[in-house]
Amino acid sequence: DIQMTQSPSSLSASVGDRVTITCRANQDIRNYLAWYQQKPGRAPKFLIYAASTLQSGVPSRFSGSGSGTEFTLTISSLQPEDVATYYCQKYNRDPTFGGGTKVDIK
Amino acid sequence: QLQLQESGPGLVKPSETLSLTCTVSGGSISSSSYYWGWIRQPPGKGLEYIGTIYSNENTYYNPSLKSRVAIFVDTSKNQFSLKLTSVTAADTAVYYCASGYNTAWYLDGLIDFWGQGTQVTVSS
Repeated sequence: DIQMTQSPSSLSASVGDRVTITCRANQDIRNYLAWYQQKPGRAPKFLIYAASTLQSGVPSRFSGSGSGTEFTLTISSLQPEDVATYYCQKYNRDPTFGGGTKVDIK
Repeated sequence: QLQLQESGPGLVKPSETLSLTCTVSGGSISSSSYYWGWIRQPPGKGLEYIGTIYSNENTYYNPSLKSRVAIFVDTSKNQFSLKLTSVTAADTAVYYCASGYNTAWYLDGLIDFWGQGTQVTVSS
């Protein structure tokens, strides 16, 4: 089974800070990696697929990178509306989510 | 733009069957442009992919749930449904119905549209 591990599990940063979240797979998943944003009490929102392709309408301060087993989601300048939990997902065969990273404002 | 809405009992007794329905608007359940699925989130925890049904009625189920899960479509009502048998407290979660664009095999499992979610508690 492919396991997806996110780090850190939570972080607190100031408005305007650069924030980086890491997602690791225990096997090579090429670039079959997506990111979702879930605000409290809401359904998740699809942000990025193919590791680095932004969905339409997603602010450009969000970016993704990586391939193989290590991936990152970066928020270049954290905004108050970015407070959320972020999940990576391995898709294609046997879709699997990571454990999530909760992002707060310091 | 697709809209999805879950419905079903909020409380299920242990050992019984959990049954949820998702009503689709803004698109046809029979369309080959989409696949339909269920995802759940236990309280305070992360997301778990339950399964998918395709327009040809083929299905994919999470191996950890496969023996207890069924997803099926009702084209006359533009709905799809989830049944999970022999539930325990570990099945307590918010259940989301969801959909993705069925554009290419290598994009299978991506979720473009989500319902608002429905809380299901397993308790006697």
